[in-house]
Amino acid sequence: DQQVKQNSPSLSVQEGRISILNCDYTNSMFDYFLWYKKYPAEGPTFLISISSIKDKNEDGRFTVFLNKSAKHLSLHIVPSQPGDSAVYFCAASSRNSGNTPLVFGKGTRLSVIA
Amino acid sequence: GAVVSQHPSRVICKSGTSVKIECRSLDFQATTMFWYRQFPKQSLMLMATSNEGSKATYEQGVEKDKFLINHASLTLSTLTVTSAHPEDSSFYICSARGTGRVGEKLFFGSGTQLSVL
Repeated sequence: DQQVKQNSPSLSVQEGRISILNCDYTNSMFDYFLWYKKYPAEGPTFLISISSIKDKNEDGRFTVFLNKSAKHLSLHIVPSQPGDSAVYFCAASSRNSGNTPLVFGKGTRLSVIA
Repeated sequence: GAVVSQHPSRVICKSGTSVKIECRSLDFQATTMFWYRQFPKQSLMLMATSNEGSKATYEQGVEKDKFLINHASLTLSTLTVTSAHPEDSSFYICSARGTGRVGEKLFFGSGTQLSVL
C-alpha cells in the first residue's frame, strides 16, 4: 500500500515552459513534505520542502504547493531548463512521530526539451 | 551544504561473497542514518534505520543477518551485504538526517550500484 503516490512516471516539457509534478499521499499523519531530484547513478539531492502549516513555499524557480484537504502537493518549475531533466521524488514524513524516515513516491522522470 | 559520502560507487562481485558499503557524514554529526535500496523504475525503499551506538531497526522483509549494519560513530555507518546473490543486485543509498544548522533535511550519499554475478 503506497502512502506516497506519484501517478505520472514521466513528463516532457519544452524549455522555458512550466513543469508541474504531482504527488498524492494517504497518511494524514504526514506533516512534512520534500522534493528530491535524482540524476542516474547518483543519490537524490534535496530540492525544496514544505511544512503542513504552510500551503506554499517558493525557492527561485521552484515552488511547492500543498493542499492538505486533498492530500496533494505539487512542484512547479518555471521556467524549465534542460538541466532540470531528472527523476523527481516526492517524500513525506511525520515529524511528531519522532525520528521517522521519509516515505518516497516512485518518482517522475522529467524531460525538458530544448 | 551538508555532505554525505558513500563508497564504493560501484561494485561487481561473485555470488557468495560479502560486500561492505560505507556511508560518512562529512561535515555534520548524524545520530541516525538510513539505508535505502532502489530497483529500476521503483521508489526508494527503506531497508533499515541505523542509530549510533545501538542496533539497527530493520523494515519488514529485510533480513538483518544478510544486511549487517554498523553505526559505530556519529559520522560513519556501514552496510555489509553478506553472501550476496544475484537478486541482491540493486542500487543502495545511504542517507543521514541533518541536525543543527542544516535542519531536518535528509542528505543522501551518491549511492552504490551492486551487481552480483
